[in-house]
Amino acid sequence: EVQLVESGGGLVQPGGSLRLSCAASGFTFSSYEMTWVRQAPGKGLEWVSYISNSGSTMYYADSVKGRITISRDNAKNSLYLQMNSLRAEDTAVYYCARKVGGYYGPFDYWGQGTLVTVSS
Amino acid sequence: QLVLTQSPSASASLGASVKLTCTLSSGHSSYAIAWHQQQPEKGPRYLMKVNSDGSHSKGDGIPDRFSGSSSGTERYLTISSLQSEDEADYYCQTWGSGIYWVFGGGTKLTVL
Repeated sequence: EVQLVESGGGLVQPGGSLRLSCAASGFTFSSYEMTWVRQAPGKGLEWVSYISNSGSTMYYADSVKGRITISRDNAKNSLYLQMNSLRAEDTAVYYCARKVGGYYGPFDYWGQGTLVTVSS
Repeated sequence: QLVLTQSPSASASLGASVKLTCTLSSGHSSYAIAWHQQQPEKGPRYLMKVNSDGSHSKGDGIPDRFSGSSSGTERYLTISSLQSEDEADYYCQTWGSGIYWVFGGGTKLTVL
């Protein structure tokens, strides 16, 4: 059974940093591209970042570019999101999701999310 | 710029059918989309991919009650024999070079 379990969320002050983790199981993690998607309270889904299966290629949404870094450790079956210079508008539930298909493609498995609250 | 448009809300009776619509912005009729279901207080769940020709491929364990179709720039999700657990938010998603991944605003489905 495919499982994605996020952790690392919490309350952080504006300008602060946080590192999210996503533990993957039930599939060959190193074979899949992975992404992070966020959902502000009461709002819709917003794609945040992507990383290729080898970790050599990363993409970022304009709203987070320069402040967020995606990475992975295939030996540990883990995905990460380092978030710096956090702003109130970064407050959201952050989901990791597995991407399928060839060139780009949909997300076929999601985690349960971890809540990040940016507030003083 | 590629935009996905969804009606904010929909409703249908228990046991009935409902058809949700996701509209691609003009000039993007060749794009495939995916449908995701998000039940209250849960993470999203992938339902299916719908291609521009109307063919669709469902995710693991998705019941036959869920089906997809397409017409022009519109992509549809039809849920038949509605059950109470189908009450959820439904999001469409598309992807491509230069746009990365885009979501529609979501449709909140109420089962009466």
